[in-house]
Amino acid sequence: EIVLTQSPGTLSLSPGERATLSCRASQSVGSSYLAWYQQKPGQAPRLLIYAASSRATGIPDRFSGSGSGTDFSLSISRLEPEDFAVYYCQHYGNSPWTFGQGTKVEIK
Amino acid sequence: EVQLVESGGGLVQPGGSLRLSCAASGFTFSSYRMNWVRQAPGKGLEWVSSIGGGTNVIYYADSVKGRFTITRDNAKNSLYLQMNSLRDEDTAVYYCARGFRVTDQAYYFDYWGQGTLVAVSS
Repeated sequence: EIVLTQSPGTLSLSPGERATLSCRASQSVGSSYLAWYQQKPGQAPRLLIYAASSRATGIPDRFSGSGSGTDFSLSISRLEPEDFAVYYCQHYGNSPWTFGQGTKVEIK
Repeated sequence: EVQLVESGGGLVQPGGSLRLSCAASGFTFSSYRMNWVRQAPGKGLEWVSSIGGGTNVIYYADSVKGRFTITRDNAKNSLYLQMNSLRDEDTAVYYCARGFRVTDQAYYFDYWGQGTLVAVSS
């Protein structure tokens, strides 16, 4: 089973600032089978990024993903008020499809 | 428009059973692998179980293996999760999520329902 470790646990930033979130895998994630999801309070998760760097349908281009192997990151170029949420990475190459523990992006 | 609507959650005593349902619409249900993912109160996401479009390939997380059973009825566009021998630690919001196929093993979750709350308590 691939264990994903996200850092930091919480990121305190102001609107307009850049956010960089990290996701580290316990072993190589083959073919970059790594996704990112956004979850707001009381809502279901929403797919943001798949294949490490491909944006899902309707996702603004201020969101970008990068990385390969065991180290991945999600960047939000300029935080909008609606971007303050919890973000999860997920390995989806094979069962079990595991998630990281999440990074909360909060308003400073 | 893809829609996934879960139902069947509620309060159940430890050792009890519950059956969750997920009604799907807006896509060809039988063509997609479907999944259950849960989230304990204030915690992160945990994948629970997955079933292929033709029901022939099923996976479970170790934490629920032997207690939970995933099924689907393609004629009714519905996904189910039969949960037996429930424990306090099964308390969570349960989401159904559609799996988008990349390979026979690789699926990311492109659409999610709003979830149904299961509370296990005496």
